Amino acid sequence: QAVLTQPSSLSASPGASASLTCTLRSDINVGPYIIYWYQQKPGSPPQLLLRYQSDSHKQQGFGVPRRFSGSKDASANAAILLISGLQSDDEADYYCLIWHNTAWVFGGGTKLTVV
Amino acid sequence: EVHLEESGGGVGQPGKSLKLSCAASGFTFDDYAMHWVRQAPGKGLEWVSSIAWNSGSSGYADSVKGRFIISRDNAKRSLYLEMNSLRVEDTALYHCVKAESKSWGTPFDNWGLGTQVTVSS
Repeated sequence: QAVLTQPSSLSASPGASASLTCTLRSDINVGPYIIYWYQQKPGSPPQLLLRYQSDSHKQQGFGVPRRFSGSKDASANAAILLISGLQSDDEADYYCLIWHNTAWVFGGGTKLTVV
Repeated sequence: EVHLEESGGGVGQPGKSLKLSCAASGFTFDDYAMHWVRQAPGKGLEWVSSIAWNSGSSGYADSVKGRFIISRDNAKRSLYLEMNSLRVEDTALYHCVKAESKSWGTPFDNWGLGTQVTVSS
């Protein structure tokens, strides 16, 4: 089982909100981890959106609008990237990332389509 | 402005070697750890390797451990990835990435555009 699991795709309408999940393997508790979220558009390298550990320990990426926010769902052992007020420009691939056992681990990525 | 420019990619045969380079500018190179991250065609991101600011420590993904060697030359502001015993599954775009601090336990900050490696007979 992969360390981080993301749904491969998600569709949402302009102006709506999209909730992207990153589920940790069942033997890894999401609680202590800092979750990093990256956005990648076609032909470009990824950009850091935000990092989230808790509501008191979080940081927005440089120039990233507040409509991108992070949270955790402990019951689902998952991290969540919430994008509100969706715009066509938000159409991209989104990756979660953690530092686990002295290694960097990416989720498989979610392709967000705004239609 | 941070600039990272990778080179050295190309076509390599299975079992052979390639060496990637990354030229850094726009920041104090020896103040930061560095990473290599790859992306296979149509696939997701995969961390490959990282090295601390002073080459004092490094790490590798299990998929490349024992085959790839990361190194840096602070005087030349350059990062390297020696890729040995190449496999078809090493085919990917390889990005050079600046870390957020001296430790490679800090995440990916600025990215280069990448150099393409294709492993094929």
